[in-house]
Amino acid sequence: QSALTQPRSVSGSPGQSVTISCTGTSSDVGTYNFVSWYQQHPGKAPKVLIYDVNRRPSGVPDRFSGSKSDNTASLTISGLQAEDEADYYCCSFAGSYTFVFGGGTKLTVL
Amino acid sequence: QVLLQESGPGLVRPSETLSLTCTVSGGSLSTYQWSWIRQSPGKGLEWIGNIHYSGNTNYNPSLKSRLTISVDTSKNHFSLNLSFVTAADTAVYFCARRGSGTSINWFDPWGQGTLVTVSS
Repeated sequence: QSALTQPRSVSGSPGQSVTISCTGTSSDVGTYNFVSWYQQHPGKAPKVLIYDVNRRPSGVPDRFSGSKSDNTASLTISGLQAEDEADYYCCSFAGSYTFVFGGGTKLTVL
Repeated sequence: QVLLQESGPGLVRPSETLSLTCTVSGGSLSTYQWSWIRQSPGKGLEWIGNIHYSGNTNYNPSLKSRLTISVDTSKNHFSLNLSFVTAADTAVYFCARRGSGTSINWFDPWGQGTLVTVSS
């Protein structure tokens, strides 16, 4: 069970869109539509943004969207805002009731 | 609103057992599944394991031989025991609920996390 692969960092200017990728394998992302995304500000607990690939919990702005193609899931943040600067983690169901997280991506808002 | 709170020693000696409890308030522990997740300093998140309120468990294969997760519905809390710890087990430990309703393969809400340092 290896960690999902995310870029270490991405950046964008306010108002722009950024996409964070999350690459797994046919044993996790490629097989199950159970990818979730989390936002974590320094010193805080992670907060869910997306679940089941592209579903948003109530209260999460529609600027956050998710998608998946083959073994790679993606989180897109549109209309970047200063408060979006944080770490982002993907997570996938990996069969046998287990889960695997990505290594995390640091988003810098320029 | 369901709230989760981790508690336990902040310092554990090498080779000993790390023990944490997650207390659930604002709702019943029954009906849902619950998880432990950790984050080593400056690193990413690592799923540790799940427990159903009935007591059924699922563990990260890399930790399974040292890990026990249990639940006490009468106290509305669940617990983590990780034996034979080393410095590599130093991390912030989070508890979380595993989803809700018909979709359970995500984690929300989370506790605030508790730092456990393994050191002599």
